[in-house]
Amino acid sequence: DSGVTQTPKHLITATGQRVTLRCSPRSGDLSVYWYQQSLDQGLQFLIQYYNGEERAKGNILERFSAQQFPDLHSELNLSSLELGDSALYFCASSSPEGVNTEAFFGQGTRLTVV
Amino acid sequence: GESVGLHLPTLSVQEGDNSIINCAYSNSASDYFIWYKQESGKGPQFIIDIRSNMDKRQGQRVTVLLNKTVKHLSLQIAATQPGDSAVYFCAEKLGHSTLTFGKGTMLLVSP
Repeated sequence: DSGVTQTPKHLITATGQRVTLRCSPRSGDLSVYWYQQSLDQGLQFLIQYYNGEERAKGNILERFSAQQFPDLHSELNLSSLELGDSALYFCASSSPEGVNTEAFFGQGTRLTVV
Repeated sequence: GESVGLHLPTLSVQEGDNSIINCAYSNSASDYFIWYKQESGKGPQFIIDIRSNMDKRQGQRVTVLLNKTVKHLSLQIAATQPGDSAVYFCAEKLGHSTLTFGKGTMLLVSP
């Protein structure tokens, strides 16, 4: 168990809908990262938050947004969903400094858009 | 041996063999590298890391080798077991930047 909790584990929704994925980082970790993993693809970095502030942005679509709350949990909002958004979405967290430290991953949320 | 499948390179080995998984990283300035293991339906799990001031680091049954000259990273798994079957990703990082992941290699271990 990595200590990173993601809910829900599975989500099935229709095109055009909006969903929210939730992540609770490891205790004490200030950085939260979101990654998307499509079938047989690597992990694509979406966005990073550090202590409530956006720190870095990757290949995140404008239809997607995220935030980190004062209690450090994070939510990834996906709107106007398309079939191609079906993927595994992972959250990871790392220790406060984030330099030369590994990121710990949650079990992921499998999103299926039908 | 190693072969390229439809999506991921695949390495098939027999139980007890030593496995070597290779990775070419992209940024010559990256100063920290990690190998992750991802089993089906699970999140990536940390295996071993190495800083750029090192060439080799050993863990339990695993060794990571770093060749900065050719931007190459390898993961050696000794006495491979069926439980080692998974997709293995290398990841690189520079300073406070985020982790950038490689494409992954699938390791299949036959009993």
